[in-house]
Amino acid sequence: AQSVTQLDSHVSVSEGTPVLLRCNYSSSYSPSLFWYVQHPNKGLQLLLKYTSAATLVKGINGFEAEFKKSETSFHLTKPSAHMSDAAEYFCVVIHTGGFKTIFGAGTRLFVKA
Amino acid sequence: KAGVTQTPRYLIKTRGQQVTLSCSPISGHRSVSWYQQTPGQGLQFLFEYFSETQRNKGNFPGRFSGRQFSNSRSEMNVSTLELGDSALYLCASSGGTGGTGELFFGEGSRLTVL
Repeated sequence: AQSVTQLDSHVSVSEGTPVLLRCNYSSSYSPSLFWYVQHPNKGLQLLLKYTSAATLVKGINGFEAEFKKSETSFHLTKPSAHMSDAAEYFCVVIHTGGFKTIFGAGTRLFVKA
Repeated sequence: KAGVTQTPRYLIKTRGQQVTLSCSPISGHRSVSWYQQTPGQGLQFLFEYFSETQRNKGNFPGRFSGRQFSNSRSEMNVSTLELGDSALYLCASSGGTGGTGELFFGEGSRLTVL
């Protein structure tokens, strides 16, 4: 069975400090993993994706994530937070074989000035 | 390239009414999926269509239905609306023929049921 667990419902950082949003997954198959961001009253925008190529994936707006199979993790990081990063972030597993898309519960990122 | 377009963006209905939401996918995308987003339940998968066929379905009552047309546009319908159906309904499209890949989302239709 596939599942996605985002370990923090809320994360608060100061502007200019690093961001770490944690995601663990469970999948019987080699998954495709994604991070999406959602700003208030907007749809979801793709930040980055892992599809079994390089384990360190770079995305938009300075975000990156590392796929660690041994830890079944796909944590999202950014070296320096910006006020515009305040949003909700979703870790997503897509199992292409079964056409299933599984969303994490989301992590709301707060950025303090 | 135009993105995913959802209409209407906002609507207000009363209990017992029905509603139809529309989604136009990115040109060339054949898969359209629908999601309900509420503060309490988060993002929940409703259903997915590929080439006019429902390929996958979430755990929602039969009041929620959908369809896809030959041009890949999709509609979802909710009948006998309940207060709990108030939500942001998101549509996403994806390309390719083999399973679901990267999803491209519309901005959503925000439904308020009074």
